[in-house]
Amino acid sequence: DTGVSQNPRHKITKRGQNVTFRCDPISEHNRLYWYRQTLGQGPEFLTYFQNEAQLEKSRLLSDRFSAERPKGSFSTLEIQRTEQGDSAMYLCASSLTGSYYGYTFGSGTRLTVV
Amino acid sequence: GIQVEQSPPDLILQEGANSTLRCNFSDSVNNLQWFHQNPWGQLINLFYIPSGTKQNGRLSATTVATERYSLLYISSSQTTDSGVYFCAVLTGANSKLTFGKGITLSVRP
Repeated sequence: DTGVSQNPRHKITKRGQNVTFRCDPISEHNRLYWYRQTLGQGPEFLTYFQNEAQLEKSRLLSDRFSAERPKGSFSTLEIQRTEQGDSAMYLCASSLTGSYYGYTFGSGTRLTVV
Repeated sequence: GIQVEQSPPDLILQEGANSTLRCNFSDSVNNLQWFHQNPWGQLINLFYIPSGTKQNGRLSATTVATERYSLLYISSSQTTDSGVYFCAVLTGANSKLTFGKGITLSVRP
């Protein structure tokens, strides 16, 4: 297993465009999480899935953001009508169910909105 | 929600020195993880340690859950230890990690 994989690594987009990021978790992990990290801050929770069900969404996840995990494997995070404030690192993590299991993070997708 | 505070915010060391990084949290936790974020942004899991002490090479961590703090020890620091160290906690029914703001460590040759 190669760990959690995220694509693309970097994305530069013009304000108002839509972008989509992909996350492939560790294959046996049933939980998948999306986080956002801005400069100088720790990662902030956006949403998480258990298998294909989206169980929790943060207030940070405005209606321009949508996440899916259609078959309980990979996930996509789409941002519509991007704004400059969306510029950040978007991190994906996966884990097994149960708080005693640690999270494994991917390398992230760095989004720059110009 | 739970508050996670890390100190000091910045730390500069000479190669070979030892250091202690602290994480305080405001409520009881089910789990606690220490991460190292490298210059490319990758979060590397160092320890998950809800209580007790663990060691891995030059790194060790101790969590005293009853007093709501955790410590990360780095001995004989190397330049490759530079980066940002995050503490993150998992609480109650929540399934999400709450992170501190991180400690930026610079190890100089």
